[in-house]
Amino acid sequence: GAVVSQHPSWVICKSGTSVKIECRSLDFQATTMFWYRQFPKQSLMLMATSNEGSKATYEQGVEKDKFLINHASLTLSTLTVTSAHPEDSSFYICSAHLVRGKDEQFFGPGTRLTVL
Amino acid sequence: AQSVTQPDIHITVSEGASLELRCNYSYGATPYLFWYVQSPGQGLQLLLKYFSGDTLVQGIKGFEAEFKRSQSSFNLRKPSVHWSDAAEYFCAVAPTGGFKTIFGAGTRLFVKA
Repeated sequence: GAVVSQHPSWVICKSGTSVKIECRSLDFQATTMFWYRQFPKQSLMLMATSNEGSKATYEQGVEKDKFLINHASLTLSTLTVTSAHPEDSSFYICSAHLVRGKDEQFFGPGTRLTVL
Repeated sequence: AQSVTQPDIHITVSEGASLELRCNYSYGATPYLFWYVQSPGQGLQLLLKYFSGDTLVQGIKGFEAEFKRSQSSFNLRKPSVHWSDAAEYFCAVAPTGGFKTIFGAGTRLFVKA
């Protein structure tokens, strides 16, 4: 159990377009999900905390209007990269928070975004 | 500020040799501690975690880690490395509420024949 999926697994888009990435908890409900960004050969940087039914909390330096996060249900959070540019190309990973005795996070497989 | 330090950017070991990956953290209290592995282009796989109790934690794939409070360390070990262990390894911490995991910079493991 405790599986998190992401869709798409990879996407290529033209500069100026918007891209939506979905993060789903498949077999549990997650009131909180997290979005991370990973540059090549670097670590994961937390972008924002997504709470179901409320606005996301963004980390310092992350543009809210650039990276729109919606957590519409207990099993789905979406990240929309608006007006994407080549510098937005990255590996985006989500995780879902599960309270099951102990707090745990389960990570999705990631989405590779390439902006041309 | 909370931080995680993995001093070794990359490590090369021979297949069959032992492995130790270092991790130090800076935190106000004892956090939750994790080790993840990431193969190229893939997501994260949890190797092991420490919440409380026994300071020597056993994980998957023959890995173990020891929490040393006095040294604020959580080093990952494996007695005999296999070629398939070549990957990026991340140490991570989270507050005891389990939120906002902070990752170290990662250590790339190379395994030579």
